Amino acid sequence: EVQLQESGPGLVKPSQSLSLTCSVTGYSITSNYWGWIRKFPGNKMEWMGYISYSGSTSYNPSLKSRISITRDTSKNQFFLQLNSVTTEDTATYYCARWRYYDGTYYPWGQGASVTVSS
Amino acid sequence: DTVLTQSPALAVSPGERVSISCRASEGVNSYMHWYQQKPGQQPKLLIYKASNLASGVPARFSGSGSGTDFTLTIDPVEADDTATYFCQQSWNDPYTFGAGTKLELK
Repeated sequence: EVQLQESGPGLVKPSQSLSLTCSVTGYSITSNYWGWIRKFPGNKMEWMGYISYSGSTSYNPSLKSRISITRDTSKNQFFLQLNSVTTEDTATYYCARWRYYDGTYYPWGQGASVTVSS
Repeated sequence: DTVLTQSPALAVSPGERVSISCRASEGVNSYMHWYQQKPGQQPKLLIYKASNLASGVPARFSGSGSGTDFTLTIDPVEADDTATYFCQQSWNDPYTFGAGTKLELK
């Protein structure tokens, strides 16, 4: 059974970088696609991007200049880095397996709450 | 971006039938999906491609629609169904989500 778990700092200062790790068990990240989604206070959700089995990436155009998704296949982990954060990046960040053939996210990690504040 | 519009909240009694709607600002073919999120938990896929039940999801849940109008139906509703239900489209880039419908039981 594939399981995902996010980890990383819960508090980030404005203008700094947000970095999160998604640890995957039960499935190799060299298969399939793996993505990040965030949920803002008030419930709005936003697809951020994904990394493929080959390491190629795709990002939401609204974040393209600030986001980077990378991976470490030896640890079966993939990572999110979001630069120059503001208070508007305060959200719960989820990692999930992205099913390329229908565009769904299944399953999801538990989520990591990140607050951007000085 | 494709905007998905959902009603913010519904309240129903256990045993009743409830329909949750999602309207897209432009056509998404059948690439509309539904997730359930209970408080403190991660979203869980319920329905994919408008009408297909995800693995392990009870048959009380069903989905319908195509183009711009989609519906998630729960029949009968159980107490455990208290949650927020999100729709998501994967036809137009970037993929987008609705703001969610909070289902409360009377």
